[in-house]
Amino acid sequence: DTGVSQNPRHKITKRGQNVTFRCDPISEHNRLYWYRQTLGQGPEFLTYFQNEAQLEKSRLLSDRFSAERPKGSFSTLEIQRTEQGDSAMYLCAGSIWGQLETQYFGPGTRLLVL
Amino acid sequence: AQRVTQPEKLLSVFKGAPVELKCNYSYSGSPELFWYVQYSRQRLQLLLRHISRESIKGFTADLNKGETSFHLKKPFAQEEDSAMYYCALIGTSGSRLTFGEGTQLTVNP
Repeated sequence: DTGVSQNPRHKITKRGQNVTFRCDPISEHNRLYWYRQTLGQGPEFLTYFQNEAQLEKSRLLSDRFSAERPKGSFSTLEIQRTEQGDSAMYLCAGSIWGQLETQYFGPGTRLLVL
Repeated sequence: AQRVTQPEKLLSVFKGAPVELKCNYSYSGSPELFWYVQYSRQRLQLLLRHISRESIKGFTADLNKGETSFHLKKPFAQEEDSAMYYCALIGTSGSRLTFGEGTQLTVNP
């Protein structure tokens, strides 16, 4: 297993379009996190799942954002009616819940909204 | 609210010199502190966590609750240490990581 993967790696879209990103953690990861990172900033938490349950959402996650993890394995993050301010790197991380939980990050999906 | 501050965006040292990357945090409880590193064209990865009290790649970090700091130190920097370093915390009530803005470390030959 080569770790957490994300697809696509890059996405260019026009303002107003919908985009969907996918994250595939390793099979043992019962927790899955989404973060957003803009230029010059550290990653900011968006939401996380334990198995298929979405346990927490940040106030950064506007109504245009929705995340799912239908079978407790892969996850999707959809942004509807994209805005230029959505341009960022979207990071996914998987972990095994428990003591000394470590979040393992994927390579990210870089979104550019024109 | 929890907050992590890394006062230096850029830090440049020469090979063999000591290096210290500063991290201060704001949190009312007892957080768990981490250092993550991102090497060029690689993904973000955990370097160390305060609970483990370990040394990774020669780096150590001590949690100072009085000063609310978690500075990362290495006595002799190597060129391969050049990377972006992020300090992060998890509060006692959740699992989300709160990151600082990062410090770009460059180790010159």
